[in-house]
Amino acid sequence: GEDVEQSLFLSVREGDSSVINCTYTDSSSTYLYWYKQEPGAGLQLLTYIFSNMDMKQDQRLTVLLNKKDKHLSLRIADTQTGDSAIYFCAERYSSASKIIFGSGTRLSIRP
Amino acid sequence: NAGVMQNPRHLVRRRGQEARLRCSPMKGHSHVYWYRQLPEEGLKFMVYLQKENIIDESGMPKERFSAEFPKEGPSILRIQQVVRGDSAAYFCASSPRSGLAGGYNEQFFGPGTRLTVL
Repeated sequence: GEDVEQSLFLSVREGDSSVINCTYTDSSSTYLYWYKQEPGAGLQLLTYIFSNMDMKQDQRLTVLLNKKDKHLSLRIADTQTGDSAIYFCAERYSSASKIIFGSGTRLSIRP
Repeated sequence: NAGVMQNPRHLVRRRGQEARLRCSPMKGHSHVYWYRQLPEEGLKFMVYLQKENIIDESGMPKERFSAEFPKEGPSILRIQQVVRGDSAAYFCASSPRSGLAGGYNEQFFGPGTRLTVL
C-alpha cells in the first residue's frame, strides 16, 4: 500500500537542531524527498535521497534513511526563524508518475 | 527561465459554477502533473499529462473533473458544478522527462491556485 506518515507539529528553540521524522510503507519506493512549504506558497524541493543510500548531507540539512524500518528523517542544524514552514516527506517509485506525500510537519521556532 | 506558472492564484466560485485552473510548465517541459491539497493535508496526485495525452488519471475523481494539455497553450484543470468539498489548493508541477522514465526526474511545482467554493 501507499502511505507516508509524519507527526503534525514540531517546536524547537532558535539555534537548536530540528529533527522531523517520517515513515513510509512501500518498500519499492526508490526516491524519498523532503519539501518545504511556506504560508501561501508552493512547494520547494529541499533534498532527496535515493533508496540505496543511508545518509545525505547538504549544508545544514542531513537526511537519514533506515530502509529496514522504512524510516526517513530530516535534521536541520542551527534552526533559524526562516525555517518556519511545513515540511513534507514524500516518496516515488522510479518509473511512476506520481509523488506520494505525507500530511506535513509544521515546524515552529521559539526565540 | 521562469518557473511553473499557475493562474489564477485565487479563485472564488459559488456552488454549481465551473472552475478553470491554468498551468504553464517550465520552458522545455512537456510533462505536467496536477495535485490537490485539502486543508491541513498533504498533496494528493490527480493526473499526469503529456502534450495532447492523459497518461495517468488514477487520482482524478470520476465525475466533474477533467484535465487537458493541448498542443499549444497551458494545461487546464476543469471542475464542473463545484461543491464546497472542492475547496482546496491545486498545484501543478512539470518535469523535463517522462514521469514514467526510470531514474531521477524532478517535478517542479507552481505556486498553486487556491479555490474557494461558497
